[in-house]
Amino acid sequence: SQKIEQNSEALNIQEGKTATLTCNYTNYSPAYLQWYRQDPGRGPVFLLLIRENEKEKRKERLKVTFDTTLKQSLFHITASQPADSATYLCALAVYSGSARQLTFGSGTQLTVLP
Amino acid sequence: GAGVSQSPSNKVTEKGKDVELRCDPISGHTALYWYRQSLGQGLEFLIYFQGNSAPDKSGLPSDRFSAERTGGSVSTLTIQRTQQEDSAVYLCASSFAGPGYEQYFGPGTRLTVT
Repeated sequence: SQKIEQNSEALNIQEGKTATLTCNYTNYSPAYLQWYRQDPGRGPVFLLLIRENEKEKRKERLKVTFDTTLKQSLFHITASQPADSATYLCALAVYSGSARQLTFGSGTQLTVLP
Repeated sequence: GAGVSQSPSNKVTEKGKDVELRCDPISGHTALYWYRQSLGQGLEFLIYFQGNSAPDKSGLPSDRFSAERTGGSVSTLTIQRTQQEDSAVYLCASSFAGPGYEQYFGPGTRLTVT
C-alpha cells in the first residue's frame, strides 16, 4: 500500500521567510498530488493540485513541485505570514485496480512567528 | 453556495450504543468520502461513493461500520456497538468527480465514546 511521509511534525519559521514542506511517498507514483490546509477544529481546505506530468504549479504565494523520480513533492509558501500558521496535509490519488481514494499524510504543523 | 454540512457537530455516546452521522454534500458533486481523524493524526480513509457505482469500502475498520448514500446525495455513516477506540472526528468530503478533483470538507462530527 502507499505510504506517505511529511517532514517533521512541526516547523517554525520567521515571518517573511519561505516555508518549505516536504511530502515523500513510496511505491507507485500517484496520478495526482494535492495539498490541503487544516486549521484547528476545522476540516481541511484544498490549496493546490498537481498532476504526474506537471513539474510545478503556482498560486499566489504558494508553489508546489512534483518529482516522480525522487517520489517527492515540495510545498513552498513565500513571504510567510502569521496567518499561514496551520497544519498542511499532502494527499495522493492513485488509480490502481479498485483503489481510487486519496491517501493523506499525517501533516506538518507550520507556525510563522511574527 | 452552501458547502458540505455534517450533523451532529458533536456526539457523546456510551460504549455499545449505535450512532449515525450525517453528511450533506455540495449539490452536483458525484463523489462523497468519509474519513476519520484521531487527535493529532492524519486523515484515515473509510469509504468512497462515486455516482451509482458500488462504494469503495476498503477503508472501513470493521463490520461495525457501514455507510449508505441515498439518491446520490445525503450519506449516513453508521457505527454499531461503539467502542472507545471509535472516538475521533469523522469528516465527510465531496468532489465534482473522482479523487483527481479537489475535495470539499465538512466541519466534521466529533464522536466521543464513554
